[in-house]
Amino acid sequence: EIVLTQSPDFQSVTPKEKVTITCRASQSIGSSLHWYQQKPDQSPKLLIKYASQSFSGVPSRFSGSGSGTDFTLTINSLEAEDAATYYCHQSSSLPYTFGQGTKLEIK
Amino acid sequence: QLQLQESGPGLVKPSETLSLTCTISGGSISSSTYYWGWIRQPPGKGLEWIGSIYYSGSTYYNPSLKSRVTISVDTSKNQFSLTLSSVTAADTAVYYCARQSAVAGNWFDPWGQGTLVTVSS
Repeated sequence: EIVLTQSPDFQSVTPKEKVTITCRASQSIGSSLHWYQQKPDQSPKLLIKYASQSFSGVPSRFSGSGSGTDFTLTINSLEAEDAATYYCHQSSSLPYTFGQGTKLEIK
Repeated sequence: QLQLQESGPGLVKPSETLSLTCTISGGSISSSTYYWGWIRQPPGKGLEWIGSIYYSGSTYYNPSLKSRVTISVDTSKNQFSLTLSSVTAADTAVYYCARQSAVAGNWFDPWGQGTLVTVSS
C-alpha cells in the first residue's frame, strides 16, 4: 500500500498569504496524484487532478505541481473562504489511498 | 448537474450488516467513462477508499475490507449500494459515494453529502 504523508498537519495563515502544502508518496506514483478541499461539514471537492491539472470551476489561485514521490499544492493570495482541510489522493496503485490531511486556519 | 445522495440507517448494531445506497440524479450510472466509489471518514479523521464498481458490475475493493464488503449496482434505478458485514465500532464513519473517472486518473468528483453511520448497541 502506498502511504501519502502531508505536511504540515496544520497551518494558521493570513489572507493574501501564499500557502504551500506538500504530499510525499512512499513510492513513485508518476502523476497519479489528486488534491481535494474539504470545508467543515461538507464533502470533499476536487481541486487538482493528475498533479497539476486544475479541475473545472476551481479558482486560478489553486495550483499543483510535482511528479514521482513529491507533490505540492499552492494557494496564491489566500482568501478567507479557503479555510478547509486539504487531502492528497493517489490512484497509481490499489488500494487508492489518501494523505492524512492538512488543516488551514485563517487568522 | 450530476448529484449523488447516500441513504440508509444511521445506526447499526455491532456484528450486524451496514447497508447503504447511493442514488444518482442528473446523469446515468451506465456511463462508460466512470466508475462509482465508496469512501468513508471516521469522525475527525481522514479518508479511506472502500471500493468501486462499474455499471457492468465489475468491482474492486480495498484489501483491508474486502472480506466484509460487497458493492452492487442497479442500473434500472440509477443506484449502487454498499454492504459491510460484521461491523464494529471502528466502522463508525461518514460514508460517501462518489463518481470516479475511469478513463483518466481515477479521481473522485462529485461526492455525495455523506451519511453518518454509527455502530453501537
